[in-house]
Amino acid sequence: EAQVTQNPRYLITVTGKKLTVTCSQNMNHEYMSWYRQDPGLGLRQIYYSMNVEVTDKGDVPEGYKVSRKEKRNFPLILESPSPNQTSLYFCASSLTWNQPQHFGDGTRLSIL
Amino acid sequence: GIQVEQSPPDLILQEGANSTLRCNFSDSVNNLQWFHQNPWGQLINLFYIPSGTKQNGRLSATTVATERYSLLYISSSQTTDSGVYFCAVAAGANNLFFGTGTRLTVIP
Repeated sequence: EAQVTQNPRYLITVTGKKLTVTCSQNMNHEYMSWYRQDPGLGLRQIYYSMNVEVTDKGDVPEGYKVSRKEKRNFPLILESPSPNQTSLYFCASSLTWNQPQHFGDGTRLSIL
Repeated sequence: GIQVEQSPPDLILQEGANSTLRCNFSDSVNNLQWFHQNPWGQLINLFYIPSGTKQNGRLSATTVATERYSLLYISSSQTTDSGVYFCAVAAGANNLFFGTGTRLTVIP
Protein backbone atom coordinates (compact mmCIF):
# COMPACT_ATOMS: atom_id res chain seq x y z
CA GLU A 1 0.00 0.00 0.00
CA ALA A 2 1.30 3.44 -1.00
CA GLN A 3 1.83 5.49 2.11
CA VAL A 4 3.76 8.05 4.11
CA THR A 5 4.65 6.74 7.56
CA GLN A 6 5.54 8.93 10.50
CA ASN A 7 6.85 7.81 13.88
CA PRO A 8 6.13 8.34 16.64
CA ARG A 9 2.47 9.31 16.41
CA TYR A 10 2.49 10.86 19.87
CA LEU A 11 5.35 12.07 22.06
CA ILE A 12 5.53 13.95 25.33
CA THR A 13 9.03 15.08 26.24
CA VAL A 14 10.91 17.78 28.10
CA THR A 15 12.70 20.94 27.05
CA GLY A 16 16.18 20.38 25.67
CA LYS A 17 16.01 16.63 25.09
CA LYS A 18 16.90 15.97 21.45
CA LEU A 19 14.30 14.11 19.46
CA THR A 20 13.81 12.83 15.92
CA VAL A 21 10.53 12.28 14.10
CA THR A 22 10.97 9.83 11.26
CA CYS A 23 9.17 9.99 7.92
CA SER A 24 9.29 7.30 5.27
CA GLN A 25 7.50 6.96 1.93
CA ASN A 26 7.29 3.92 -0.33
CA MET A 27 6.21 5.65 -3.55
CA ASN A 28 9.66 6.59 -4.89
CA HIS A 29 8.73 10.27 -4.56
CA GLU A 30 11.40 12.89 -5.13
CA TYR A 31 9.75 15.67 -3.13
CA MET A 32 9.26 15.50 0.64
CA SER A 33 8.24 18.13 3.15
CA TRP A 34 7.51 18.81 6.82
CA TYR A 35 4.70 20.99 8.16
CA ARG A 36 3.45 22.02 11.55
CA GLN A 37 -0.20 22.72 12.28
CA ASP A 38 -1.21 25.11 15.05
CA PRO A 39 -4.68 26.39 15.98
CA GLY A 40 -5.46 29.64 14.24
CA LEU A 41 -2.30 29.49 12.14
CA GLY A 42 -3.10 26.60 9.84
CA LEU A 43 -0.31 24.55 8.30
CA ARG A 44 3.12 26.06 7.85
CA GLN A 45 6.01 24.54 5.97
CA ILE A 46 9.17 23.85 7.98
CA TYR A 47 11.58 22.30 5.46
CA TYR A 48 11.29 20.64 2.11
CA SER A 49 13.49 18.47 -0.08
CA MET A 50 13.43 18.34 -3.86
CA ASN A 51 15.54 15.18 -3.96
CA VAL A 52 18.29 13.27 -2.19
CA GLU A 53 20.84 15.57 -0.53
CA VAL A 54 18.79 18.68 -1.48
CA THR A 55 16.93 20.46 1.33
CA ASP A 56 15.54 23.98 1.66
CA LYS A 57 14.01 26.09 4.39
CA GLY A 58 10.28 26.61 4.43
CA ASP A 59 8.37 29.31 6.23
CA VAL A 60 9.28 28.36 9.83
CA PRO A 61 12.62 26.48 9.89
CA GLU A 62 14.03 27.89 13.15
CA GLY A 63 14.75 25.21 15.74
CA TYR A 64 14.54 22.31 13.27
CA LYS A 65 16.95 20.30 11.17
CA VAL A 66 16.35 17.78 8.41
CA SER A 67 18.39 15.42 6.29
CA ARG A 68 17.73 13.54 3.05
CA LYS A 69 20.36 10.84 2.75
CA GLU A 70 18.02 8.41 1.00
CA LYS A 71 15.06 9.01 -1.22
CA ARG A 72 12.51 7.31 1.02
CA ASN A 73 13.43 8.92 4.37
CA PHE A 74 13.19 12.51 5.57
CA PRO A 75 13.63 12.77 9.35
CA LEU A 76 12.83 15.92 11.30
CA ILE A 77 15.28 16.67 14.11
CA LEU A 78 14.69 18.92 17.09
CA GLU A 79 18.13 19.39 18.62
CA SER A 80 16.93 21.30 21.69
CA PRO A 81 13.13 21.25 21.79
CA SER A 82 11.29 24.11 23.45
CA PRO A 83 7.63 24.45 24.51
CA ASN A 84 6.83 26.65 21.48
CA GLN A 85 7.51 23.60 19.30
CA THR A 86 4.53 21.82 20.81
CA SER A 87 2.43 21.16 17.74
CA LEU A 88 0.96 18.65 15.31
CA TYR A 89 3.53 17.74 12.67
CA PHE A 90 2.89 16.33 9.21
CA CYS A 91 5.24 14.83 6.68
CA ALA A 92 4.23 14.81 3.02
CA SER A 93 5.63 13.58 -0.27
CA SER A 94 4.93 13.93 -3.97
CA LEU A 95 6.43 12.62 -7.17
CA THR A 96 7.86 16.07 -7.91
CA TRP A 97 7.23 19.52 -6.45
CA ASN A 98 4.36 20.17 -8.88
CA GLN A 99 2.38 17.03 -8.19
CA PRO A 100 -0.29 16.21 -5.55
CA GLN A 101 1.15 15.84 -2.06
CA HIS A 102 0.35 12.82 0.10
CA PHE A 103 0.40 13.26 3.85
CA GLY A 104 1.32 11.03 6.76
CA ASP A 105 -1.12 10.67 9.66
CA GLY A 106 0.66 13.25 11.80
CA THR A 107 2.79 13.33 14.95
CA ARG A 108 1.53 15.16 18.01
CA LEU A 109 4.48 16.54 20.00
CA SER A 110 4.19 18.03 23.46
CA ILE A 111 7.29 19.73 24.87
CA LEU A 112 7.05 20.41 28.61
CA GLY B 1 5.21 34.88 1.44
CA ILE B 2 2.03 34.43 -0.54
CA GLN B 3 -1.15 35.35 1.33
CA VAL B 4 -3.96 32.81 1.06
CA GLU B 5 -7.48 33.67 2.15
CA GLN B 6 -10.27 31.14 2.32
CA SER B 7 -13.96 31.81 2.69
CA PRO B 8 -16.22 31.21 4.39
CA PRO B 9 -14.34 30.23 7.57
CA ASP B 10 -17.24 28.09 8.74
CA LEU B 11 -20.12 26.47 6.87
CA ILE B 12 -22.99 24.35 8.13
CA LEU B 13 -25.03 22.42 5.58
CA GLN B 14 -27.96 20.06 5.56
CA GLU B 15 -27.11 16.73 3.99
CA GLY B 16 -27.81 16.86 0.25
CA ALA B 17 -27.05 20.57 -0.12
CA ASN B 18 -24.44 22.03 -2.44
CA SER B 19 -21.65 24.42 -1.48
CA THR B 20 -18.86 26.52 -2.91
CA LEU B 21 -15.61 27.21 -1.07
CA ARG B 22 -13.32 29.99 -2.22
CA CYS B 23 -9.56 30.49 -2.10
CA ASN B 24 -7.97 33.84 -2.97
CA PHE B 25 -4.22 34.26 -3.24
CA SER B 26 -2.01 37.30 -3.43
CA ASP B 27 0.53 36.38 -6.08
CA SER B 28 0.97 34.38 -9.26
CA VAL B 29 1.19 30.68 -8.52
CA ASN B 30 1.91 27.55 -10.49
CA ASN B 31 1.04 25.08 -7.76
CA LEU B 32 -2.40 24.99 -6.15
CA GLN B 33 -3.81 22.09 -4.18
CA TRP B 34 -7.01 21.44 -2.23
CA PHE B 35 -6.97 19.20 0.83
CA HIS B 36 -9.59 17.79 3.17
CA GLN B 37 -8.71 17.24 6.82
CA ASN B 38 -11.19 14.77 8.23
CA PRO B 39 -12.35 14.76 11.86
CA TRP B 40 -9.58 12.28 12.70
CA GLY B 41 -6.96 14.75 11.53
CA GLN B 42 -5.93 12.99 8.33
CA LEU B 43 -5.10 15.22 5.37
CA ILE B 44 -6.32 13.97 2.02
CA ASN B 45 -5.35 15.52 -1.29
CA LEU B 46 -8.45 16.37 -3.31
CA PHE B 47 -7.06 18.21 -6.32
CA TYR B 48 -3.85 19.47 -7.82
CA ILE B 49 -5.20 22.33 -9.92
CA PRO B 50 -2.93 25.27 -10.76
CA SER B 51 -5.35 26.21 -13.55
CA GLY B 52 -8.50 24.98 -15.23
CA THR B 53 -11.26 22.72 -13.99
CA LYS B 54 -11.24 19.18 -12.63
CA GLN B 55 -13.96 16.89 -11.35
CA ASN B 56 -13.84 13.88 -9.07
CA GLY B 57 -17.24 12.44 -8.26
CA ARG B 58 -19.30 14.96 -6.29
CA LEU B 59 -16.34 17.31 -5.99
CA SER B 60 -15.03 19.68 -8.61
CA ALA B 61 -12.56 22.55 -8.59
CA THR B 62 -11.82 25.51 -10.79
CA THR B 63 -8.78 27.77 -10.69
CA VAL B 64 -8.63 31.08 -12.52
CA ALA B 65 -4.94 31.80 -12.17
CA THR B 66 -5.06 35.19 -13.91
CA GLU B 67 -7.60 36.41 -11.33
CA ARG B 68 -5.88 34.67 -8.41
CA TYR B 69 -8.66 32.53 -7.06
CA SER B 70 -9.83 28.95 -6.92
CA LEU B 71 -13.23 27.44 -6.12
CA LEU B 72 -14.09 24.04 -4.68
CA TYR B 73 -17.60 22.79 -5.34
CA ILE B 74 -19.21 20.09 -3.24
CA SER B 75 -22.49 18.75 -4.54
CA SER B 76 -25.05 16.60 -2.69
CA SER B 77 -23.05 16.89 0.51
CA GLN B 78 -22.79 13.92 2.87
CA THR B 79 -21.88 13.76 6.55
CA THR B 80 -18.54 12.23 5.55
CA ASP B 81 -17.70 15.53 3.83
CA SER B 82 -17.41 17.19 7.24
CA GLY B 83 -14.00 18.48 8.22
CA VAL B 84 -11.71 21.32 7.24
CA TYR B 85 -10.88 22.16 3.64
CA PHE B 86 -7.52 23.76 2.94
CA CYS B 87 -6.19 25.49 -0.13
CA ALA B 88 -2.39 25.61 -0.56
CA VAL B 89 -0.35 27.50 -3.16
CA ALA B 90 3.23 27.95 -4.26
CA ALA B 91 5.08 30.00 -6.83
CA GLY B 92 7.55 27.64 -8.41
CA ALA B 93 9.39 24.95 -6.51
CA ASN B 94 9.25 26.95 -3.31
CA ASN B 95 7.37 27.16 -0.04
CA LEU B 96 3.83 25.87 -0.09
CA PHE B 97 1.53 28.32 1.72
CA PHE B 98 -1.74 27.17 3.24
CA GLY B 99 -4.90 29.10 3.94
CA THR B 100 -6.50 28.82 7.37
CA GLY B 101 -9.25 26.63 6.00
CA THR B 102 -13.02 26.35 5.77
CA ARG B 103 -14.63 24.21 8.46
CA LEU B 104 -17.57 22.33 6.97
CA THR B 105 -20.20 20.61 9.08
CA VAL B 106 -22.81 18.51 7.29
CA ILE B 107 -25.89 17.76 9.37
CA PRO B 108 -27.99 14.63 8.67
